[in-house]
Amino acid sequence: QQQVKQSPQSLIVQKGGISIINCAYENTAFDYFPWYQQFPGKGPALLIAIRPDVSEKKEGRFTISFNKSAKQFSLHIMDSQPGDSATYFCAASWGGSEKLVFGKGTKLTVNP
Amino acid sequence: EAGVTQSPTHLIKTRGQQATLRCSPISGHTSVYWYQQALGLGLQFLLWYDEGEERNRGNFPPRFSGRQFPNYSSELNVNALELEDSALYLCASSLFVNTEAFFGQGTRLTVV
Repeated sequence: QQQVKQSPQSLIVQKGGISIINCAYENTAFDYFPWYQQFPGKGPALLIAIRPDVSEKKEGRFTISFNKSAKQFSLHIMDSQPGDSATYFCAASWGGSEKLVFGKGTKLTVNP
Repeated sequence: EAGVTQSPTHLIKTRGQQATLRCSPISGHTSVYWYQQALGLGLQFLLWYDEGEERNRGNFPPRFSGRQFPNYSSELNVNALELEDSALYLCASSLFVNTEAFFGQGTRLTVV
């Protein structure tokens, strides 16, 4: 019940394409769903986060879609760029940043 | 504004020794979180400190401990090091527990 399942494990997209990463959770008490981006040798950086009172949140080229009934949420990266190549982690928690449960990560490669 | 800073960047220890890792949160942040990022295991929640108190811990043995100082900086201690403790240890901070967490760049601990 504590798990967050993330897919795919790796993703290759052409420049300008759409990257889609999916996550699923079991614990219905989760009410905070952030996405983090991590470059090699760096710590994760918060990209965008959503709470279950909205179904979608957009910030620039990044959009979170949230489906409460299906217990799924996804990250869409529009017009993907080579600079977006990184590992992306979804996470979930109840309340906020306490005890975030992370997915295993998706390594995104955007080819020029 | 300075981000979360961790020291040292790299640490090499021998099995059985003790390791001390340090974290300075973003100015004004009172909550500090520690995560372990081991190869293939993703990010695992270790400890949460707030206002100088340990508020929660993940599924790690008692030889993982820490503390938070009056200036909100934090220290993670790992006693009786084992080879499988080799990982990137990440510190994060947030203004309050129900706000976004920002990560430092991590300390790479290698146990030989």
